[in-house]
Amino acid sequence: DTAVSQTPKYLVTQMGNDKSIKCEQNLGHDTMYWYKQDSKKFLKIMFSYNNKELIINETVPNRFSPKSPDKAHLNLHINSLELGDSAVYFCASSQDPGGRNEQFFGPGTRLTVL
Amino acid sequence: AQKVTQAQTEISVVEKEDVTLDCVYETRDTTYYLFWYKQPPSGELVFLIRRNSFDEQNEISGRYSWNFQKSTSSFNFTITASQVVDSAVYFCALSEEYGQAGTALIFGKGTTLSVSS
Repeated sequence: DTAVSQTPKYLVTQMGNDKSIKCEQNLGHDTMYWYKQDSKKFLKIMFSYNNKELIINETVPNRFSPKSPDKAHLNLHINSLELGDSAVYFCASSQDPGGRNEQFFGPGTRLTVL
Repeated sequence: AQKVTQAQTEISVVEKEDVTLDCVYETRDTTYYLFWYKQPPSGELVFLIRRNSFDEQNEISGRYSWNFQKSTSSFNFTITASQVVDSAVYFCALSEEYGQAGTALIFGKGTTLSVSS
């Protein structure tokens, strides 16, 4: 069984479109995250949710809106896509927000904006 | 601000060589957590190890070993008798607090390891 899953795996779209990426974890974890990996492989935190509440919003443009319908799901909606949004987006989960536990990552969603 | 430095951008070795990946971190916290992740060519991020700041014991897991030294703020990773399947990007990460709200991982820029046969 996949612990952290993301859909879709690949997303190719035109500038200006709106798109969503879905994430689900079946580990029973309380905390979920979105990270962005750029073309140079640099990984940076975007958002974190704990029990459906947003707890970290790391200066991400407000075109990006995360939503957590329940603690097993964290979706990412992106409005008005720009070329610079092209990246791999990783969802992750951990047992709690305290940082002592490892984060388990999904397979990533490669977003290409044309 | 907390920071993680992986000075080696790329390393190339031949199979069966030992290789050490360096990681130096900066933090003002007295309690902190360090991690290593592996990203093979298939792209997923695989957790390798977690170490807390109070535990300076070195750890060995098969061909992998980790050397944590608080005095030099380093958490280095050694692969013994490297194999082609070890080819990947390896990330060192530090858990950073965001006020009282929670924590997130601060990643180094990664070291790309290429092992040839």
